[in-house]
Amino acid sequence: DVVLTQSPLSLPVSLGQPASISCRSSQSLVYSDGNTYLIWFQQRPGQSPRRLLYQVSNRDSGVPDRFSGSGSGTDFTLKISRVEAEDLGVYYCMQFTHWPHTFGQGTKLEIK
Amino acid sequence: EVQLVESGGGLVQPGGSLRLSCAASGFTFSDYWMSWIRQAPRKGLEWVAHIKQDGSAKHYVDSVKGRFTISRDNAKNSVYLQMNSLRVEDTAVYYCVKDARDWGQGTLVTVSS
Repeated sequence: DVVLTQSPLSLPVSLGQPASISCRSSQSLVYSDGNTYLIWFQQRPGQSPRRLLYQVSNRDSGVPDRFSGSGSGTDFTLKISRVEAEDLGVYYCMQFTHWPHTFGQGTKLEIK
Repeated sequence: EVQLVESGGGLVQPGGSLRLSCAASGFTFSDYWMSWIRQAPRKGLEWVAHIKQDGSAKHYVDSVKGRFTISRDNAKNSVYLQMNSLRVEDTAVYYCVKDARDWGQGTLVTVSS
């Protein structure tokens, strides 16, 4: 199975400051069609996960532009340009290039 | 607006069975793969199973193969997860998910004696 390793697992950030989360895959996530099926989710306390970005860097509708994704192959990054209070929660990367689809362990973003 | 409403969770003894249901609305159900994803208490996420639009292809994570069966009824806009031979480690919130984007609110399955 593809292992996704996120770092850090805990991320205290002051409001207005940037934040960055890494997701590294044990295998390339480039599919045979040339696309890279790497997704980022946000899970706020007590809520279902919400998809933020798909295919590495495409923002879902309604997602603020302070969220951005980058990377290729096996190394990916989620960046928040200026953290706001509503951003607290756990962030997960997920791949569905390979079956079984797998998730990273999650990164807990806390407001400092 | 996409809505996914799960039901069927509850408390069951090890070795028992449960059938989860997910009622979908707000989109053309028969156009999408549908999935079940679970989250154990205070743990991360695990993709359990998914099913193709017409039900002709299904995939399962190894830990549930031979015990869980995913199915769908496009006429009823519903997807199901039949869970047999349940184990303590199957305890989790089970989410119905469309397209890795839209999630239900989840239904809690607790396997305990």
